[in-house]
Amino acid sequence: GAVVSQHPSRVICKSGTSVKIECRSLDFQATTMFWYRQFPKQSLMLMATSNEGSKATYEQGVEKDKFLINHASLTLSTLTVTSAHPEDSSFYICSAREGDGANYGYTFGSGTRLTVV
Amino acid sequence: AQSVAQPEDQVNVAEGNPLTVKCTYSVSGNPYLFWYVQYPNRGLQFLLKYITGDNLVKGSYGFEAEFNKSQTSFHLKKPSALVSDSALYFCAVRVGRKLVFGAGTILRVKS
Repeated sequence: GAVVSQHPSRVICKSGTSVKIECRSLDFQATTMFWYRQFPKQSLMLMATSNEGSKATYEQGVEKDKFLINHASLTLSTLTVTSAHPEDSSFYICSAREGDGANYGYTFGSGTRLTVV
Repeated sequence: AQSVAQPEDQVNVAEGNPLTVKCTYSVSGNPYLFWYVQYPNRGLQFLLKYITGDNLVKGSYGFEAEFNKSQTSFHLKKPSALVSDSALYFCAVRVGRKLVFGAGTILRVKS
């Protein structure tokens, strides 16, 4: 089946630095990928929709200059958390749309635990 | 707004007993519904989806879900629970290109 690889699984960074998270579709092409944020014991909050070859579409309230998304190829989307602060600490999960027509689904990466100290 | 609701924060069941995790939906038009499971510090694993067709959908790991249009429900079921089924379960509905998730239900299966 479809596989999405997310890297790194864990990262600790200092306040003020930037962190890049990669999301790769391994055996299929993904024109659309999604980035979510999940707080402890809570549901997934969609941050943005990543579109191959064009700008990402951000959800209301998400700072696009803080959470930079690049989707330069059909198999790779990246999320860069710029000038990270402790409040950015969270679990970030990507997913990729896979399948054609109306019957498409979503495959998720294994998530990235970001801790900003 | 198009959404799903998971009315139970937690479901407890004894190993070997049947389990049900509830989900109701509120959408206009035909709903595309999904169930995912999440283990601690992991991403989401796909269990099953309803797009159209049979109301009873069979999925991974012995799970199934029944689409009920009159009750606007899509409850997840398994005839015999395993301790390893203990996890966080999410119901979701496709809205446009996006998935909108319920709040999640923790399933605890005790031996």
